[in-house]
Amino acid sequence: KAGVTQTPRYLIKTRGQQVTLSCSPISGHRSVSWYQQTPGQGLQFLFEYFSETQRNKGNFPGRFSGRQFSNSRSEMNVSTLELGDSALYLCASSPRGTNTGELFFGEGSRLTVL
Amino acid sequence: GQQLNQSPQSMFIQEGEDVSMNCTSSSIFNTWLWYKQEPGEGPVLLIALYKAGELTSNGRLTAQFGITRKDSFLNISASIPSDVGIYFCAGQRSNNDMRFGAGTRLTVKP
Repeated sequence: KAGVTQTPRYLIKTRGQQVTLSCSPISGHRSVSWYQQTPGQGLQFLFEYFSETQRNKGNFPGRFSGRQFSNSRSEMNVSTLELGDSALYLCASSPRGTNTGELFFGEGSRLTVL
Repeated sequence: GQQLNQSPQSMFIQEGEDVSMNCTSSSIFNTWLWYKQEPGEGPVLLIALYKAGELTSNGRLTAQFGITRKDSFLNISASIPSDVGIYFCAGQRSNNDMRFGAGTRLTVKP
């Protein structure tokens, strides 16, 4: 069974630009959640989607948004990038939503903002 | 910032030694989980705990869900070089809100 796939793996952007990251969950998993990982703040929850609906949202500004498609694939978008948005963005899928907390993570998309 | 207090931040141990790390919080959690992350990869689930007082093993790993529901610990027995990585605790509340600890970076010297 293929794992969670995230693209792109690495990208470099400049301040003010916007970025879209993609996540394909494990086949059959309907929940996709996104996390930001930085050395200073650790792993922080961004949002979770289940059956194309945002079910939970973390404490991030509106520049961070996401969506989920009917095939459970998900994208997240960050607009008007700031230097502090440089981070590893991790996507995780779960078969039943995050109710059990059992998350299967992808390898992440490492974003550098210059 | 982090909502879970995980300690120690890092550990340097000799192969064969036992390791213990823990996570505490001022809040109650319904589920405690432990993940391991290796360089260039996403975290991988090691152990999930669903009941206060629960003690669960996965090979050389043992974790417990604290009786107060505000803490958890992870033990690794007889460490080996491939145990190297960052170990994260995670707590989940009833509203699915999940928080992570800052991680414990484990180095094992052969």
